[in-house]
Order: sequence, then C-alpha cells, then structure tokens
Amino acid sequence: GDSVTQMEGPVTLSEEAFLTINCTYTATGYPSLFWYVQYPGEGLQLLLKATKADDKGSNKGFEATYRKETTSFHLEKGSVQVSDSAVYFCARQGGSNYKLTFGKGTLLTVNP
Amino acid sequence: GAGVSQSPSNKVTEKGKDVELRCDPISGHTALYWYRQSLGQGLEFLIYFQGNSAPDKSGLPSDRFSAERTGGSVSTLTIQRTQQEDSAVYLCASAGGSKEKLFFGSGTQLSVL
Repeated sequence: GDSVTQMEGPVTLSEEAFLTINCTYTATGYPSLFWYVQYPGEGLQLLLKATKADDKGSNKGFEATYRKETTSFHLEKGSVQVSDSAVYFCARQGGSNYKLTFGKGTLLTVNP
Repeated sequence: GAGVSQSPSNKVTEKGKDVELRCDPISGHTALYWYRQSLGQGLEFLIYFQGNSAPDKSGLPSDRFSAERTGGSVSTLTIQRTQQEDSAVYLCASAGGSKEKLFFGSGTQLSVL
C-alpha cells in the first residue's frame, strides 16, 4: 500500500545549523507531497507542499523538492532557529479519494 | 466554525468501556479524516469520509472501532470495549474543495486504565 518513510529522530541541532529531514514515498500513481509541522501544544498545520515532479515547496525558510527519480521529498532549512523546534511529518496524497498518508514524524529540537 | 473542533479534549476510561469521540469539521468541508497519534507510531490513518461516498475504513484497527458522519457534517468515532493499547491522541481533520490542505483539530487524548 501507499506509505511514507522519514528519518527517525530525535534530531538535535544548535541554532543556525543546517537541517535535513529525509523522506521517501511509494510512487504509486502521481501523489502530491507535503510537510506538516506540529509545534509544542499546538495542532498539526501544513508547512509546504509540492504537487508534481521537480516542484519545490517553500515556507518560513524551509524547502523541499519533489524528486520523482529518487521518490524523495527531503525537508531542508539553511539556518534553524529555536522556534523551529517541533515534530515534522512528511505525507503523501494520492488516489481517487485523496487519502493523506503520513510518516511517523521527526522530533526536532533546536538549542540556543 | 472557525476551525475543527473535537470533544472531549481529554477522556479517561476503564478498560472494557465504550467511548465516543466527536468531531465538528469546518463548515462546508466535505472531506473528514480520523487519525490516531501514538508515541513512536506517528499518525495512523483510521477512516476517511468524502461527501456522500462510502467511507474508506481501511485503517480501522479492529471491529471495535467504528465511525459515522451524520448529515455530511459532525462525525463520531466509537471505540467499543476499550483496551489499554487504544490509549492515544485521536485527531480529526477536514478539507474543503482543495482537498490538499487538511485542517486539524486539537485532538482527544484518550487514556484507558
């Protein structure tokens, strides 16, 4: 079935470090790809998305590029801040019913 | 409403009891999802409603779990004869015409003692 695999955390970085969180997806059909973020004490919210191959989603300094050849959608940020500390979820959406399938989430902690 | 509303926010129950969790989606949203969030398990898909179509129940873990959506709006997730492994945060999300952007509620924290 459809699935998403993302690197397991936790990931701990110092402020201004470079961030990469790996994500790969099953290539059934032509899925749309997403990163959702869950800040401490808050609900999940959409961070960025890409709907077709080679699209780059970006928001709040985060970027991810839809790579069909490697079935990947890695999340990157050049310089993380303490306020980026959260759980990040990679997700795919495809099929006739638009079901959204999530990875297991990666906890990021950024220290000052 | 302003967002997806879930109730109760916390529920503590005894093993073997039945529980009902409620979700009020954003008005006008035709898609409604239930997910379960457990430590180490990420977000587990449970069930998906889209308009008047038959729901996708492929994620329900056992026949103790069921859900309905009345009038295309409010949804209730029912867990019968709860077990300790049912303890988790149950999240509801809805989506409108775009279907790509889900709006999540704050969840119901279920604790089965």
